[in-house]
Amino acid sequence: KAGVTQTPRYLIKTRGQQVTLSCSPISGHRSVSWYQQTPGQGLQFLFEYFSETQRNKGNFPGRFSGRQFSNSRSEMNVSTLELGDSALYLCASSANRLEEETQYFGPGTRLLVL
Amino acid sequence: KNEVEQSPQNLTAQEGEFITINCSYSVGISALHWLQQHPGGGIVSLFMLSSGKKKHGRLIATINIQEKHSSLHITASHPRDSAVYICAVRGGATNKLIFGTGTLLAVQP
Repeated sequence: KAGVTQTPRYLIKTRGQQVTLSCSPISGHRSVSWYQQTPGQGLQFLFEYFSETQRNKGNFPGRFSGRQFSNSRSEMNVSTLELGDSALYLCASSANRLEEETQYFGPGTRLLVL
Repeated sequence: KNEVEQSPQNLTAQEGEFITINCSYSVGISALHWLQQHPGGGIVSLFMLSSGKKKHGRLIATINIQEKHSSLHITASHPRDSAVYICAVRGGATNKLIFGTGTLLAVQP
């Protein structure tokens, strides 16, 4: 099976712009989670989606949003970009949303905000 | 205080040494994960534990639920083990994944 894919891999934006990142989970996986990783804050949970519904959300402002489509692909959007949004954005998928399940991570999208 | 604490933050070892990385947490959890991240960003899930001990090759992970503590051991370490090792717990009030700050391991030949 192909792994989790994320597009684009690298992105440069300027302050005030918006950005959309895409994640395609492993075939058959229905749960997708998004994470932000920065040198200062480390890894932080953004959202979790299961069967097109947001099941959990981290402590991020409303500028961060996401959605999941019927084929389990997911997108996240960041509006009105700030310098501090520069980070590696990772998505991970799992078959269901059981706490005991292994998550499979994508390679990440590295976002630089200038 | 962070809900998930790892120690040490940095670790340098010689090839062949036995390595231990520790993780302590302060919330109730349903599962604990050990992750490995190589330079460039890719993250691989090594173990998921809710009790006891798991072994995979040269890697061993243990968890003590009563003491809220987990350890990751690497036997016969090798330079290819050089990476950041991250502990994460699923738990707390919101049952989301909470990450430790990671342990940067460098194994020298």
